[in-house]
Amino acid sequence: DAKTTQPTSMDCAEGRAANLPCNHSTISGNEYVYWYRQIHSQGPQYIIHGLKNNETNEMASLIITEDRKSSTLILPHATLRDTAVYYCIVSRSSGSARQLTFGSGTQLTVLP
Amino acid sequence: GAVVSQHPSWVICKSGTSVKIECRSLDFQATTMFWYRQFPKQSLMLMATSNEGSKATYEQGVEKDKFLINHASLTLSTLTVTSAHPEDSSFYICSASSRTSGYNEQFFGPGTRLTVL
Repeated sequence: DAKTTQPTSMDCAEGRAANLPCNHSTISGNEYVYWYRQIHSQGPQYIIHGLKNNETNEMASLIITEDRKSSTLILPHATLRDTAVYYCIVSRSSGSARQLTFGSGTQLTVLP
Repeated sequence: GAVVSQHPSWVICKSGTSVKIECRSLDFQATTMFWYRQFPKQSLMLMATSNEGSKATYEQGVEKDKFLINHASLTLSTLTVTSAHPEDSSFYICSASSRTSGYNEQFFGPGTRLTVL
C-alpha cells in the first residue's frame, strides 16, 4: 500500500471548518484513500473513503486531487468533540479484507 | 452501523499470568478480524490477521506462542496474552471486516488496556 504523509498537528477554532491534508504521491490506480480518527483512549472510527471522486457523508467531505496524489479531509463545522488523531490511509480494495497501515496521523485540536 | 465490542475494557494482572481479550462483532458476520497494539503516544501496529476457521497470520516480530489468537466463529475472536510481562502492557484493539463490504472498511472495537504489574 502507498505511503501517506500528514502534518503532525493542527489547531482549529470551534465552529470553523477543519481542513486536514494528506499526501499520497505513490498511490496506484486501484488504491482507495481512507480516513479514520482516534479519540484519546478509544478505538479508531471510520470517517470516509474515496477513489477519485470527491465524497461527502454526514461526518465529513473528502476532496481528492485530479492526479490523486493528495487529498483533504474537511470537517465543515468543527466541535470540541472532533479533537482526535486523524489518520489518512491508502489501501487497495480486494475480495477479502486487508490490513490497514496506520501512520503517525494528524493531531487535530479544536479550540473553544 | 456495524458495532464491535471488546471485553474487558481494561485489565490489570500480575507478571506471569495469562489474559484473554474477546472481540465480538455484534450485528454482522466478521470473516476477518485484525488485532492491533498501541503503545503510549504511538500509532497502531498490526499484530495479526485472523480469518474465521483458520490459523491467524502474525506480523513479523510478533510471537505466535505468546499471543494466541482464536477465531472460532464469525462473531468472535479472542487474543490470549500468555505469561504476560510488564513490557506487554499496552492498548490492544481489534477490528472486524465483513465479506459483504466491497471496500476495506473496518470496524474497530473500543480497545482493551492491559497493565501487567
